[in-house]
Amino acid sequence: DGGITQSPKYLFRKEGQNVTLSCEQNLNHDAMYWYRQDPGQGLRLIYYSQIVNDFQKGDIAEGYSVSREKKESFPLTVTSAQKNPTAFYLCASSIEGTFQTDTQYFGPGTRLTVL
Amino acid sequence: GDSVTQMEGPVTLSEEAFLTINCTYTATGYPSLFWYVQYPGEGLQLLLKATKADDKGSNKGFEATYRKETTSFHLEKGSVQVSDSAVYFCALTHLSGNTGKLIFGQGTTLQVKP
Repeated sequence: DGGITQSPKYLFRKEGQNVTLSCEQNLNHDAMYWYRQDPGQGLRLIYYSQIVNDFQKGDIAEGYSVSREKKESFPLTVTSAQKNPTAFYLCASSIEGTFQTDTQYFGPGTRLTVL
Repeated sequence: GDSVTQMEGPVTLSEEAFLTINCTYTATGYPSLFWYVQYPGEGLQLLLKATKADDKGSNKGFEATYRKETTSFHLEKGSVQVSDSAVYFCALTHLSGNTGKLIFGQGTTLQVKP
């Protein structure tokens, strides 16, 4: 079955610690994305990558970092510099990311709670 | 900048009632339009899409028509079921440089009662 997996489903972290969220896809998609969702709000774009070894900041990149060393993997690190990291994080992918008609497909999400 | 506005929720309906969730957008050019659905504790699933004016997207009994003249993409279903209870997001794709960015509305919660 093709799809996007995110792990873990729930993650707890102490203040001041960095934490890395995993995102893997076997859809052979070039483009991958990270979004943040807060209660009662839409999704906001953190980072995106259209090709291996390249990524761009989204609308709320401060306090986050990413890497794209493999086509199928796009991990997100939430650093201690992120002032309010408790949220639901969603990873997505699309075939190319350069076309307006491209559809983004989402993983099941990781809920991060900072204690 | 580009934006999407959805009707505020929650929307509460009885089973078999008719559903409309309003969505309007502001965008330059001709964006593609999407409806996503999110069930509790899960990620988003694509429900339907339309890529040009007057296109109608449809899936699982849901429909939405891309209306450029009113900049709208309202979601409709003739007879809702309890299993349709979820949060629905309207979104558009905006080309920024050579990248298609998804811009979301704030989501509308639908509760269907038996």
